Order: sequence, then structure tokens, then C-alpha cells
Amino acid sequence: EAGVTQFPSHSVIEKGQTVTLRCDPISGHDNLYWYRRVMGKEIKFLLHFVKESKQDESGMPNNRFLAERTGGTYSTLKVQPAELEDSGVYFCASSQKRSSGRRRNEQFFGPGTRLTVL
Amino acid sequence: AQTVTQSQPEMSVQEAETVTLSCTYDTSESDYYLFWYKQPPSRQMILVIRQEAYKQQNATENRFSVNFQKAAKSFSLKISDSQLGDAAMYFCAFRGTSGTYKYIFGTGTRLKVLA
Repeated sequence: EAGVTQFPSHSVIEKGQTVTLRCDPISGHDNLYWYRRVMGKEIKFLLHFVKESKQDESGMPNNRFLAERTGGTYSTLKVQPAELEDSGVYFCASSQKRSSGRRRNEQFFGPGTRLTVL
Repeated sequence: AQTVTQSQPEMSVQEAETVTLSCTYDTSESDYYLFWYKQPPSRQMILVIRQEAYKQQNATENRFSVNFQKAAKSFSLKISDSQLGDAAMYFCAFRGTSGTYKYIFGTGTRLKVLA
């Protein structure tokens, strides 16, 4: 079974440009999460999808960030326009559908996309 | 709000020796999960071990074990017989049992294994 994949692995852009990050979750996983780690800091939650619906986007830093999940499959995270402070590693994670009695809902992480804004 | 603190930015251990990575957390919830994730230089983050708060017994996975002190809100990771392949960034994470199940992470501890 393929794991969570992310593309690109590394992106270098200039301030003011637009970048789109993609995440392909594990097939059949309804839950998809985006996280970000800024250098030296903790990994922070950005948002959570259940299928195609945004369940929680409380961690999105501002309106320059737009996340979508077309048809409840892959997800994209667009940053427009990018600023220097957006640099970091963006992780995607997925987990199975919640069901009664199951409390684990372990998240499986992708390798991350390293974004560098110059 | 929940917080997770890893007070050791970097640790070193001699190959075959034992090392303990510290993690403390803060929460008002009584039921939750705690995790240790490992991120090697290749960057794929993988689960090392999980602990369910309602279980008193400390979790173990081969050479990896935890010391879970619920009252003290402490969750340390012990790696026995350290191997070169254990060198990585280790993240401690908390997850509640309600809401979105998002993870709250610490800042990570970089573990170096010396040959």
C-alpha cells in the first residue's frame, strides 16, 4: 500500500510568487491534515479535511493560504503571494475514517515539502 | 490549550548505549494519546511508539520504551542499545480524543548516535 506522498519535495520561490503544494493521502483515508514546521520551531497544525470538507482551519496563518481537497482525494495548499516567513516544511498526514469504538485514528505522514521563500 | 515541551534541542548517545528523550505536556483532558515520531534525514516521519493515557502500563516497542507519568504530565522516550540508524529528529506529540484529532507537537530533539 502506498503511503502519503507530497509534491514537490522542495520548492524555492521568490517573495510575492505563488506556490502550490500537493498531497496524496493513503487511499481510502477520509481525514487529511496539513501541518507546518518553521525552522527550529514545533510542527504546527494548519487544517483538517474530512473528505472534501474543511473540518477545522483554525491553524491557517492568514488568507494568503488556500487549501482544497477536490473530490475528497488529493489536497492542494496554495500560498499566494508567498512571504519570507512562509518558509518551512509543510507536512501532510492522513488517517482513516472515524468509527465508533476506534480511538486510535493514527495519522500517517508524508515526507514533507520544504518551501524556501527568498 | 494543550502544549507539548521538549526541552532538549539535541542529544548524543554512544552506539549500543541507552538514551532518554524528555517530553512534558499540559492538558486539562483526562483521556488522550501521546506519540513519539522519528524523522530521519530522509524526512519521512514515522511513528515510533504510542501511549494511551487510560493505560497505566508503559508502552514498549522492541528497543523503544516510554516512561509515562500521567500525574506529572511527563512522557519520556528511552532508546536502548542505540544504533546508528536511530539518528534522527524525534518529535513528541499529543492528541485528544475529541474534536479534529489534530496533533500538538513539541519542537523536537535531534539525536546523534556516535560510532
